[in-house]
Amino acid sequence: EDQVTQSPEALRLQEGESSSLNCSYTVSGLRGLFWYRQDPGKGPEFLFTLYSAGEEKEKERLKATLTKKESFLHITAPKPEDSATYLCAVTTNTGNQFYFGTGTSLTVIP
Amino acid sequence: GAVVSQHPSRVICKSGTSVKIECRSLDFQATTMFWYRQFPKQSLMLMATSNEGSKATYEQGVEKDKFLINHASLTLSTLTVTSAHPEDSSFYICSAVVPDSYEQYFGPGTRLTVT
Repeated sequence: EDQVTQSPEALRLQEGESSSLNCSYTVSGLRGLFWYRQDPGKGPEFLFTLYSAGEEKEKERLKATLTKKESFLHITAPKPEDSATYLCAVTTNTGNQFYFGTGTSLTVIP
Repeated sequence: GAVVSQHPSRVICKSGTSVKIECRSLDFQATTMFWYRQFPKQSLMLMATSNEGSKATYEQGVEKDKFLINHASLTLSTLTVTSAHPEDSSFYICSAVVPDSYEQYFGPGTRLTVT
C-alpha cells in the first residue's frame, strides 16, 4: 500500500538551531516527491520537487534531499518566520494520485 | 511558479442554500484539479479529483450529490456545496497539476461558514 509518513509531528527550535524534517515513503514507482509549506488559514505553498534519488534542491534556508525511501527537509539557522506546517507528498507512475503526509508543525522561537 | 486562484476566500451562507467555489489556474492549463477539505489543525483531506471534460472522481465517503464538481475548461473547476448544513463548514482548498512536471499548486483556500 502506498504510504507517506512524516516525522516528527511537531518540532520546536530556537532561532538559529538547525534541524531536519523527515518524509518516509513506500510507493510503487515514485514519479515525484513534493514539499510544501502551509501557514494557518492559507493554502499550501509549493517549495520543491524531487524526482530521483540523490537529487537535492535549495531555497534560502531550506534544502531538500531524496533517497530511495525518504526525503529530508533541512532547515539551516531557522528564523521565526519559518514557523509553519511542512507537508510532503508523492505521486506515482501508476496513476494520477498524490499521497500526502500529515505534516510537521515547526515553531521557531526567537 | 504557477498560480492558482480561488474565489471567494470567505463565504457565510444560511443552512439549506448552495454555495459555489471557483478554482482557476491563471498561467497554465490543468487537465487535473483536486478539491480538498481541511479541518482545524488537521492535514488535507482529498474530496475529489476533477478532470477536464469528464466526471469527477470522488473519494470514499464524499457525497457526489452534495459536492458537485464541474471542470468545464482547462483553467476552471468549480465546487458547489448544495443544501449546505453547519457540518459542511470548513476550509476548502483546490489545487491544479502542471502537466509534465506533475507539480501540484494550491489555491489560497475558501473558508465556508454555514449558519
